[in-house]
Amino acid sequence: EPEVTQTPSHQVTQMGQEVILRCVPISNHLYFYWYRQILGQKVEFLVSFYNNEISEKSEIFDDQFSVERPDGSNFTLKIRSTKLEDSAMYFCASSFRTSVETQYFGPGTRLLVL
Amino acid sequence: AQKVTQAQTEISVVEKEDVTLDCVYETRDTTYYLFWYKQPPSGELVFLIRRNSFDEQNEISGRYSWNFQKSTSSFNFTITASQVVDSAVYFCALRVNNAGNMLTFGGGTRLMVKP
Repeated sequence: EPEVTQTPSHQVTQMGQEVILRCVPISNHLYFYWYRQILGQKVEFLVSFYNNEISEKSEIFDDQFSVERPDGSNFTLKIRSTKLEDSAMYFCASSFRTSVETQYFGPGTRLLVL
Repeated sequence: AQKVTQAQTEISVVEKEDVTLDCVYETRDTTYYLFWYKQPPSGELVFLIRRNSFDEQNEISGRYSWNFQKSTSSFNFTITASQVVDSAVYFCALRVNNAGNMLTFGGGTRLMVKP
């Protein structure tokens, strides 16, 4: 069964460093998403991406965040200058379409900023 | 704005007991979609079910069943004859048709099933 994959599974970084989280969405899906979950809290939407551009973003997704689809399979989330409060689990998701389709999530990348 | 509330933060049951996880949602939209996801201890989010606002039929899938009541804005999830492997955090989520693609998640309910 096709699934969303994410790398790395864990990342530890120093405050102020740049990190890139990688995702491979399900191959025939057209819409891609990033969510985050701070430890013990609810899952929060960050951004959605379609047709090589951001279609929607939340207040959390400020200028330090960016997303990219560098090739036909990968979807990345970059955090330019990490802060302690960026420590969280980051989930990538994909869906075939938007309005009726389910978003399928990857296993997540646990980011720890020291 | 939309909101999802899962009032039960933690539930503990003994194996083979039935358990119901509550979900109450708020939206002014008439077209929306409700979801349940399971997050086992390993951390991934596993899709369980999707329901649209025009389909109030309850659904059963093995030991899982869902009760959608528009009148009370609830979408409750029942596990029958719970098993230890059901131990996880369960999230209810809402997607509103006129509010983009984002899922709005509830705070989750941690279910612990003891042997």
